[in-house]
Amino acid sequence: DTEVTQTPKHLVMGMTNKKSLKCEQHMGHRAMYWYKQKAKKPPELMFVYSYEKLSINESVPSRFSPECPNSSLLNLHLHALQPEDSALYLCASSPQVRHRTAAYEQYFGPGTRLTVT
Amino acid sequence: KQEVTQIPAALSVPEGENLVLNCSFTDSAIYNLQWFRQDPGKGLTSLLLIQSSQREQTSGRLNASLDKSSGRSTLYIAASQPGDSATYLCAVLPQNSGGSNYKLTFGKGTLLTVNP
Repeated sequence: DTEVTQTPKHLVMGMTNKKSLKCEQHMGHRAMYWYKQKAKKPPELMFVYSYEKLSINESVPSRFSPECPNSSLLNLHLHALQPEDSALYLCASSPQVRHRTAAYEQYFGPGTRLTVT
Repeated sequence: KQEVTQIPAALSVPEGENLVLNCSFTDSAIYNLQWFRQDPGKGLTSLLLIQSSQREQTSGRLNASLDKSSGRSTLYIAASQPGDSATYLCAVLPQNSGGSNYKLTFGKGTLLTVNP
């Protein structure tokens, strides 16, 4: 099973709402990632979790709050978002972030299309 | 700073044609290079991963090559089909010591249209 699942597929939220995005993988991967992708642009890294610990935060505003409750699950909590946060949010996983001279393939989920009104 | 460029930005071909997509990167110190496919509004599907020590990888009708010293990779698609229509992204994982060697650097993609 090389699948990363994400829910919901679509989300519309107001600027005062609180919502969460969910990502799950059952490949035994120990690194998980959140990316943001705007239309016609490549994905931009937001967060990296390694062994359930946040290892990288790419200077993401605090209105985005990631959480890794266990090795299979990654959440992104959203609060007080702005219309410019509307984008496709992608989750990815890999066996590890890196190991010595080798690096690992990242597997992406289908994404959540977020619209902030 | 690593930069990845993909040429052409868009390509339209008739069904059955063999085609080549190009990817170039400015810093040859990379761990690996990955080719992805993205359908409109969907996630990324990993097509091929080439480690820095490898020269090419093949999967079905796809063949990707890597020339690390010249900073180039090509994705060859044989006997193209309308179902191959998508955006193709290449991404490198840099080996630099600047603390960003966890972070895929993506090109802007090539939009491929295969006409029946």
